[in-house]
Amino acid sequence: QKEVEQDPGPLSVPEGAIVSLNCTYSNSAFQYFMWYRQYSRKGPELLMYTYSSGNKEDGRFTAQVDKSSKYISLFIRDSQPSDSATYLCAMSVTGFQKLVFGTGTRLLVSP
Amino acid sequence: NAGVTQTPKFRILKIGQSMTLQCAQDMNHNYMYWYRQDPGMGLKLIYYSVGAGITDKGEVPNGYNVSRSTTEDFPLRLELAAPSQTSVYFCASSKGGGPNTEAFFGQGTRLTVV
Repeated sequence: QKEVEQDPGPLSVPEGAIVSLNCTYSNSAFQYFMWYRQYSRKGPELLMYTYSSGNKEDGRFTAQVDKSSKYISLFIRDSQPSDSATYLCAMSVTGFQKLVFGTGTRLLVSP
Repeated sequence: NAGVTQTPKFRILKIGQSMTLQCAQDMNHNYMYWYRQDPGMGLKLIYYSVGAGITDKGEVPNGYNVSRSTTEDFPLRLELAAPSQTSVYFCASSKGGGPNTEAFFGQGTRLTVV
């Protein structure tokens, strides 16, 4: 079993849709949960990170962590074609050191 | 502000050759990392460094070596390249390793071993 599981997609949605991206994990010691966006042939860039359980909102993006279920989500409201990218979840015990990444979900938002 | 710069962007190696992937950051970050990204496998940590002169293994260090003689540079050395090392390599840096110390990634080096 992989330490972090993420559906690779692709996930295709029309512009304006609400997108839900998810990861599950097995290591209960993880405390920090990140979402990265990666455009084709580019490096990952941090979208959001949360500590422990709860929600965090930043503009059109909301990150949720449910530690009891070992499940994290990223919601994108009013999705735009520019949101088309691969979204990687990552998590760690101590912060940004030794991140464990999911495989990434490819999102396609059509105009 | 250049951030994290990786060179080269692309490289084809023959089996058994060696090469060094270069990584430089201009943000005065203490922590630097090397990841590899394979299709369907996510990013995996190869080596990391918490400061000049200090390096440690990550999840997949075999076949690689690193050094950190300056704060700015963190080269990754491949000795005796093998087809299994065909991957996209990302260097990253962060001010620290704890929370509120975002890791910034370079653009990647796409390596093919034939």
